[in-house]
Amino acid sequence: NAGVTQTPKFQVLKTGQSMTLQCAQDMNHEYMSWYRQDPGMGLRLIHYSVGAGITDQGEVPNGYNVSRSTTEDFPLRLLSAAPSQTSVYFCASSFLAGEAGELFFGEGSRLTVL
Amino acid sequence: SQQGEEDPQALSIQEGENATMNCSYKTSINNLQWYRQNSGRGLVHLILIRSNEREKHSGRLRVTLDTSKKSSSLLITASRAADTASYFCATDFNNDMRFGAGTRLTVKP
Repeated sequence: NAGVTQTPKFQVLKTGQSMTLQCAQDMNHEYMSWYRQDPGMGLRLIHYSVGAGITDQGEVPNGYNVSRSTTEDFPLRLLSAAPSQTSVYFCASSFLAGEAGELFFGEGSRLTVL
Repeated sequence: SQQGEEDPQALSIQEGENATMNCSYKTSINNLQWYRQNSGRGLVHLILIRSNEREKHSGRLRVTLDTSKKSSSLLITASRAADTASYFCATDFNNDMRFGAGTRLTVKP
């Protein structure tokens, strides 16, 4: 069982570069989300989606774009990377039955912006 | 700002002792969930408690929820060295799930 797969696991960018973090799940989950985790800050919600074609902003959406063209995939795009976006990024998914259920997490993508 | 706030930030106990972590939140919720994270790994779901529930058990875990005080507690009984990890509470309101900063639990053998 693959579960939630994130790629790449590690990435180094220069300031101003753009990139896409990929997230795929094979559990037919309606709900998918992206978080960033910084030391001492816990996880902060960037964007989330309750189904294909539907996305919404979380707590810290600035500098990030998302789209949900299929149920399985939820890519996160950094438009113009900044050092403040250095973080560990986690993708998560869950079934949705009127409310968010148990989240299944990927193993994370560690991004460094120089 | 983050929804949940865990207390304490760090907890160190001996194997066999019980560990209690608390979570406070600010707004209405549909449910509250607890997660565990081993160093450098993704989070793993432990337990979910709905807003109309007051207590829930799962193995050595006991979770309580007091919506009038906007607080929850996670009790791990008879702790083991393998329980060493960070523990996070997360609150769901209209599919917007927010996490606290976590409690770092160390269980000494």
